[in-house]
Amino acid sequence: SQKIEQNSEALNIQEGKTATLTCNYTNYSPAYLQWYRQDPGRGPVFLLLIRENEKEKRKERLKVTFDTTLKQSLFHITASQPADSATYLCALAKSSGDKLTFGTGTRLAVRP
Amino acid sequence: KAGVTQTPRYLIKTRGQQVTLSCSPISGHRSVSWYQQTPGQGLQFLFEYFSETQRNKGNFPGRFSGRQFSNSRSEMNVSTLELGDSALYLCASSIEGVRAEAFFGQGTRLTVV
Repeated sequence: SQKIEQNSEALNIQEGKTATLTCNYTNYSPAYLQWYRQDPGRGPVFLLLIRENEKEKRKERLKVTFDTTLKQSLFHITASQPADSATYLCALAKSSGDKLTFGTGTRLAVRP
Repeated sequence: KAGVTQTPRYLIKTRGQQVTLSCSPISGHRSVSWYQQTPGQGLQFLFEYFSETQRNKGNFPGRFSGRQFSNSRSEMNVSTLELGDSALYLCASSIEGVRAEAFFGQGTRLTVV
């Protein structure tokens, strides 16, 4: 069956370091992969979208990579700040008419 | 411009009752999706409506239903509520489905007692 896996353990890093979060998928060939941030009690907020024919996307301190051979996406936050502490979700879709399926998310905690 | 609005924000219902949740998408967005979020299962897809037609459906029982109106506003209904239906229900709108970003509402926190 199709599976999207994100590290369920929280990631704790020091302010100023680069945070790297992983999204692995199996039995899946996504055409679109998105990353969201979610704070407690609030809806997810869109961060980045990457398509299957793109290797990398950047936006300010954020970078996402998409490796269809490894079936993995990496999400990087450089120069992390305590305000970056949140749960980060990856979401995949097989085609433009498909639904968006979310991973369970990884909680990031950035220490001052 | 106004974001995605979900009403009500909080709801307490008794087992066996039914409930209707409402979602007003961002103006111009034709795609509206609904998700159930619980601590154990994460974000689970319920259904997506695009231009008043259900385009995708998740693996939920028939007690969960939805619809979309001509102004793109959407409602979801849960009949014969069970304790396990207690969750945060999130609505998201998008201009182009998964090819563009989804904007989420604040959610409706449903508690079934």
